[in-house]
Amino acid sequence: TQLLEQSPQFLSIQEGENLTVYCNSSSVFSSLQWYRQEPGEGPVLLVTVVTGGEVKKLKRLTFQFGDARKDSSLHITAAQPGDTGLYLCAGRSVLGAGNNRKLIWGLGTSLAVNP
Amino acid sequence: EAQVTQNPRYLITVTGKKLTVTCSQNMNHEYMSWYRQDPGLGLRQIYYSMNVEVTDKGDVPEGYKVSRKEKRNFPLILESPSPNQTSLYFCASSLGQGVGYTFGSGTRLTVV
Repeated sequence: TQLLEQSPQFLSIQEGENLTVYCNSSSVFSSLQWYRQEPGEGPVLLVTVVTGGEVKKLKRLTFQFGDARKDSSLHITAAQPGDTGLYLCAGRSVLGAGNNRKLIWGLGTSLAVNP
Repeated sequence: EAQVTQNPRYLITVTGKKLTVTCSQNMNHEYMSWYRQDPGLGLRQIYYSMNVEVTDKGDVPEGYKVSRKEKRNFPLILESPSPNQTSLYFCASSLGQGVGYTFGSGTRLTVV
């Protein structure tokens, strides 16, 4: 069974602080996606990382895919209250053919950024 | 605007009364999926569809039905809802399974 573990589960910080959240597995994934979900809304895709060691930046957010494609991290610089939300990672399985590869979801990191 | 539209946003119903949650996407995506989200359990896939008239079970299909008669629509049907189906439901679409998803805004269902 493929699992994705996210840590920490909860994080509460002050505006302006930096933070890193993690997404770990013992399984290899063909790609990994990060989503942000605000209360009462659907998850919104932030980024997809595909290549081992890949780093992608989205304004103050930096995403990294592990060299072995088993883990990923999300670093936020100078967090703002608008960054508050549930951050979900989802890995695309290497099992299955072509377009029939399942998405494995983590349980998320709930981030609160206080003004 | 590219979007997935779910209706209704909120629904309270009684045990055993059949209901349908509608889902429509305007991105010409072939792949659509239904998830439920519960505290401590995360997102769990109910059913998915790779294309018109092609549907398959996800991880928690019991008590649910789906149909895909047109590319844009993927309704979720609860023939006889029970309290353990109280949850937050999301429809999602994408170019393919496991490719980045666009989610709807969710349907909060309460079965009493």
